[in-house]
Amino acid sequence: NAGVTQTPKFQVLKTGQSMTLQCAQDMNHNSMYWYRQDPGMGLRLIYYSASEGTTDKGEVPNGYNVSRLNKREFSLRLESAAPSQTSVYFCASRPGTSSYEQYFGPGTRLTVT
Amino acid sequence: AQSVSQHNHHVILSEAASLELGCNYSYGGTVNLFWYVQYPGQHLQLLLKYFSGDPLVKGIKGFEAEFIKSKFSFNLRKPSVQWSDTAEYFCAVTPYTGGFKTIFGAGTRLFVKA
Repeated sequence: NAGVTQTPKFQVLKTGQSMTLQCAQDMNHNSMYWYRQDPGMGLRLIYYSASEGTTDKGEVPNGYNVSRLNKREFSLRLESAAPSQTSVYFCASRPGTSSYEQYFGPGTRLTVT
Repeated sequence: AQSVSQHNHHVILSEAASLELGCNYSYGGTVNLFWYVQYPGQHLQLLLKYFSGDPLVKGIKGFEAEFIKSKFSFNLRKPSVQWSDTAEYFCAVTPYTGGFKTIFGAGTRLFVKA
């Protein structure tokens, strides 16, 4: 039982490049989330998926897209990376509406130059 | 807009000192409350949670938190910190209704001197 896994762990992009961050969970959770963590700002929600087949914007969705590929996988895409997207990205999952605790992945440290 | 405020951004304590980290939230309805911890180089993990019932909740590693509804607060406490408690601590709130979104505070970095 690996929990929540994320790939890659580290990535450096040039401005304008695109990439997809992958996230998978093996806990049969319904809800999945993408956050970014910046110093002094805590975690800010980018997008979430309440259940398979649905996605919704969070607090800071601009410049990102997501895909809930199936119940296990939830990917985050940067179409045209900008230096302001330099951050640590965390994926999380949650069992469902009856449980509010989230389980986090190890994070992806992204630098955009 | 809903928000979570953590009063201290950086705290430095000596081992065996007592710890209290403040957390206040702005939301008038029923909430679920959490403290998460992020040890250096690791991902966030749950320290403790409050859903209902006894407002004093106990978590892992000797931590506890008290929910005071009238003050919209959920402060984290530990009577005697250890060097291994050095980490960043995040308070988080999930509104009970439409509760798919969780709002995190900015975090408090705790450094415990050996």
